[in-house]
Amino acid sequence: GAVVSQHPSRVICKSGTSVKIECRSLDFQATTMFWYRQFPKKSLMLMATSNEGSKATYEQGVEKDKFLINHASLTLSTLTVTSAHPEDSSFYICSVENWDTQYFGPGTRLTVL
Amino acid sequence: AQKVTQAQTEISVVEKEDVTLDCVYETRDTTYYLFWYKQPPSGELVFLIRRNSFDEQNEISGRYSWNFQKSTSSFNFTITASQVVDSAVYFCALGSGTGSYQLTFGKGTKLSVIP
Repeated sequence: GAVVSQHPSRVICKSGTSVKIECRSLDFQATTMFWYRQFPKKSLMLMATSNEGSKATYEQGVEKDKFLINHASLTLSTLTVTSAHPEDSSFYICSVENWDTQYFGPGTRLTVL
Repeated sequence: AQKVTQAQTEISVVEKEDVTLDCVYETRDTTYYLFWYKQPPSGELVFLIRRNSFDEQNEISGRYSWNFQKSTSSFNFTITASQVVDSAVYFCALGSGTGSYQLTFGKGTKLSVIP
C-alpha cells in the first residue's frame, strides 16, 4: 500500500484569502498524485493529476489559476486555493498511486467564511 | 465514457445481518480495474479491494466478499454478519486500462448498521 498524509486536516479562512494544502507520501516516492474534492454527501470528483517536476493536468471545468498545484518532490504535492470564496468550501482529498491502486490521504476540510 | 452506478443510496441493517452493496459499471475498455473503498465518518477513504478485468474469481476476506461478473458488468460487495463499525459510505470505482488512473467513482452507498 501507501501511507498518505495531508495537512492541515481542517482550515477555516476568510473570503479572499489563499489556503495551501499539503499532501505527503510517507513511505513511497510518488511521481503522480491526484487531487479530489468532495461536497457533502456527494462522490469524489477528480480535480487534477499532479506530476512531479511538470505541470499538473486539470480536469475539465477546474480553474488552473484558482487551484494551483505544485509537485516539487516525489513525496510532496501542494494544492493552493487562491482567493477562496464560500463556494470553495469542501473536503479536499489527495491520493497516490502504487501498484495500480490509489491510496488516499485523510482529507482537508476547508471552510471559507 | 466510463460510468459507475451504485443504485442504493442508503441501506440500514440490524447488526449481524448480511448486506450486499451493488455496483454496476460501464466501460469500453477491454482491460480495466474495479475497486471498493470505505469512507467512515472521519472522511478518510480506506482501500478494500482491487479487481482486474481478466480475473473474475470471487474473493473473500474475513466477513467481506466480492462477486465480480463481467457478463452483467457488476462488482457487488457483501458484508456478512455486519457490525456497527461497518457503518460508512462505500464507494465502488472503475479505473482505466492503465491502472487506477482516472478513477471514476460511483455516488456511494451509505450503510448504517444498527445495534
